[in-house]
Amino acid sequence: AQSVTQLDSQVPVFEEAPVELRCNYSSSVSVYLFWYVQYPNQGLQLLLKYLSGSTLVKGINGFEAEFNKSQTSFHLRKPSVHISDTAEYFCAVSRPNDYKLSFGAGTTVTVRA
Amino acid sequence: DTAVSQTPKYLVTQMGNDKSIKCEQNLGHDTMYWYKQDSKKFLKIMFSYNNKELIINETVPNRFSPKSPDKAHLNLHINSLELGDSAVYFCATGTSGETQYFGPGTRLLVL
Repeated sequence: AQSVTQLDSQVPVFEEAPVELRCNYSSSVSVYLFWYVQYPNQGLQLLLKYLSGSTLVKGINGFEAEFNKSQTSFHLRKPSVHISDTAEYFCAVSRPNDYKLSFGAGTTVTVRA
Repeated sequence: DTAVSQTPKYLVTQMGNDKSIKCEQNLGHDTMYWYKQDSKKFLKIMFSYNNKELIINETVPNRFSPKSPDKAHLNLHINSLELGDSAVYFCATGTSGETQYFGPGTRLLVL
């Protein structure tokens, strides 16, 4: 079975500073990887996903992530954050043709002026 | 035009009651899911339905019973509600292994 570890539970960051959220996964087979964002009192919105191909994935709102198979990582980055990026971020993994999405514990990003 | 909708958005009820949460999707996906998000924001899959057939039941108590009347709907009925059932319940839809699209959530509080 696959699993996900998000290495940072909370990340405080100043506005316009860069941010990196770390995600490691474990799986014995090929996986699909996702980052979702949850704004306060809302549902989950897909930021980006890696299914295959280029290891650098660009998503919405200026976010990008890099799939590193040798390090089994899928870290999320944004070069300059806004106050509106304050939210909970979830890394998730699934397997092709599987019906199960396994989530990490989440990283709370708080952006301060 | 909301892709995945849930009703109600908030649900406050007493212990021992029975309640239902409804989910509807207009994305044409074959697979629908229920997830539970606990007070620590941890998300865990509860059920997965594909073409109205139960695919995944992740050790959820028998008090929880999903029902899929058609491919666009997946409802969650909960019997004899307990304090520990308080959580946010998310419906999602997608294709196997790929992107899942989530509803806005139903915030359940059991008193």
